[in-house]
Amino acid sequence: GENVEQHPSTLSVQEGDSAVIKCTYSDSASNYFPWYKQELGKRPQLIIDIRSNVGEKKDQRIAVTLNKTAKHFSLHITETQPEDSAVYFCAARGSGGYQKVTFGIGTKLQVIP
Amino acid sequence: DGGITQSPKYLFRKEGQNVTLSCEQNLNHDAMYWYRQDPGQGLRLIYYSQIVNDFQKGDIAEGYSVSREKKESFPLTVTSAQKNPTAFYLCASGTGAYNEQFFGPGTRLTVL
Repeated sequence: GENVEQHPSTLSVQEGDSAVIKCTYSDSASNYFPWYKQELGKRPQLIIDIRSNVGEKKDQRIAVTLNKTAKHFSLHITETQPEDSAVYFCAARGSGGYQKVTFGIGTKLQVIP
Repeated sequence: DGGITQSPKYLFRKEGQNVTLSCEQNLNHDAMYWYRQDPGQGLRLIYYSQIVNDFQKGDIAEGYSVSREKKESFPLTVTSAQKNPTAFYLCASGTGAYNEQFFGPGTRLTVL
């Protein structure tokens, strides 16, 4: 089955700097890659996603890139703010009859004011 | 994702007891999922259901059971056979060709 690796597990940046979180996946047939943000004690919320027919997608300060050849995708947050502090999960939707989504272990991002 | 509710928010259980966690959605999604979240381990799939009256085991189904009698509801029972049930449980529903998933607020289960 699909295997998703995510790093780093923790990341501290100064307010205003950029943050990058990287994920790799194993199933070359995976075609959908969502990113979730989870604040402490709350539900994960979808913040951006990318599909396999697209190399890059941007939404204000957040962007995601996908390299299908290398089987990795990344989340980029620019001009970080304290409210960006949270745990971020990447995920990949594998192939096959059941549309299983496999999650990475998460990255705890801390933005230091 | 405001259309997915879970109850209760906090649940305490004595060892040897079964407990049932509720998950309801009014998003008209066919698929529903249960995940378990432990610190440092991300989200692990317990059970999933793609359609009413059908469900399948996920990666860590042992000690859990589910039912899917209605499209809107997907309750999870944590049985006494689950050796380490203390965790944060998240329900999700999914839609679309790419299975976009939306999560409920979660239930934190503690075994005393």
